[in-house]
Amino acid sequence: GAVVSQHPSRVICKSGTSVKIECRSLDFQATTMFWYRQFPKKSLMLMATSNEGSKATYEQGVEKDKFLINHASLTLSTLTVTSAHPEDSSFYICSAPIGGSNQPQHFGDGTRLSIL
Amino acid sequence: QKEVEQDPGPLSVPEGAIVSLNCTYSNSAFQYFMWYRQYSRKGPELLMYTYSSGNKEDGRFTAQVDKSSKYISLFIRDSQPSDSATYLCAMRGNTPLVFGKGTRLSVIA
Repeated sequence: GAVVSQHPSRVICKSGTSVKIECRSLDFQATTMFWYRQFPKKSLMLMATSNEGSKATYEQGVEKDKFLINHASLTLSTLTVTSAHPEDSSFYICSAPIGGSNQPQHFGDGTRLSIL
Repeated sequence: QKEVEQDPGPLSVPEGAIVSLNCTYSNSAFQYFMWYRQYSRKGPELLMYTYSSGNKEDGRFTAQVDKSSKYISLFIRDSQPSDSATYLCAMRGNTPLVFGKGTRLSVIA
């Protein structure tokens, strides 16, 4: 069964709205989680690494004030897309490694965000 | 040259065929190699995980890593219509995971 749960699976909202996406590790603790963005027929693009109890590490070109990440517990990381615009519409996916950072990542089912 | 190259397909095969999926890479520091399967509108699902060179088999799936050639493969035996999905290779060293673009596979009944 799923080991990483992501919610919501689908969001449709108006431009200017802030949207929060939750990523939970099920039955394991994740000190590190990862947030990706995927465009149609494209590969996954790493946006940021979420670290429990400290600031997230953002990849080059990703606006930290636009994509707020909070990793307040060992089982929950949240991504908030602030003041979303149509160009933020995409498929957002989180992942977490089980058993340490050298272990393979397991992914949530993604959140499809559509900004009208 | 991109770090990871993967033919996007689409690849269409009849049910029961052996499928071969491949990726090449340029970074010799990569040591951990993975294959993920992604169904439409879902997150990637881990299929195979290999450290360094060698072969690994799990049921109908076999993963091969040739570090000298910087080439990895995934073989699917006795392919089924339920195998129809996009297959992503992924790899890393002491760096974030790097993905291929994915190969779209259709297995026709």
